[in-house]
Amino acid sequence: DVKVTQSSRYLVKRTGEKVFLECVQDMDHENMFWYRQDPGLGLRLIYFSYDVKMKEKGDIPEGYSVSREKKERFSLILESASTNQTSMYLCASSDPPRPEAFFGQGTRLTVV
Amino acid sequence: AQSVTQLGSHVSVSEGALVLLRCNYSSSVPPYLFWYVQYPNQGLQLLLKYTTGATLVKGINGFEAEFKKSETSFHLTKPSAHMSDAAEYFCAVTPSNTGKLIFGQGTTLQVKP
Repeated sequence: DVKVTQSSRYLVKRTGEKVFLECVQDMDHENMFWYRQDPGLGLRLIYFSYDVKMKEKGDIPEGYSVSREKKERFSLILESASTNQTSMYLCASSDPPRPEAFFGQGTRLTVV
Repeated sequence: AQSVTQLGSHVSVSEGALVLLRCNYSSSVPPYLFWYVQYPNQGLQLLLKYTTGATLVKGINGFEAEFKKSETSFHLTKPSAHMSDAAEYFCAVTPSNTGKLIFGQGTTLQVKP
């Protein structure tokens, strides 16, 4: 089975802090994704990466950056956390030509 | 641009009753379609997917969905609800095989005893 592991289940951070969310997948997948989940809005794509050191903006990249130095690891960075970034963050990976994505367990981030 | 609409943010059924969760999509090209389930405080788990071929797709836990191109729909059904089916369900679409998915807003399924 594909395993996508997010380093934290719950995080509480202060406004203005730099926050790192880490994600690791163990199946040598090419593509990795960061989504944000909010009630009534479903999941929205923040960034995705189709290769090491390659990234592409999703629908809501403002206030976020990403890093992919190794194939198995994809990090989401909140440069200066704000309260409107309080949300559930989900990491996913996929392996073309299979079209489906496999998700981690999520990180619930609260910014106070 | 592709989009997904799930009709009804909350659906409530009695245990043993039919489950029907509705999903309509817009896509300029034949899409790949998915249903995912999310249990409380968990990630998303793939229930089923449509890629090509047979339009009636069977998934895990007794769920199935039918791709109807003329109606641009991909509704999820289960003949008999179980208490353990209570969760949030997401319909998703992608026009390519990158895994880059566009999600609906989600439907919370409540199962009453």
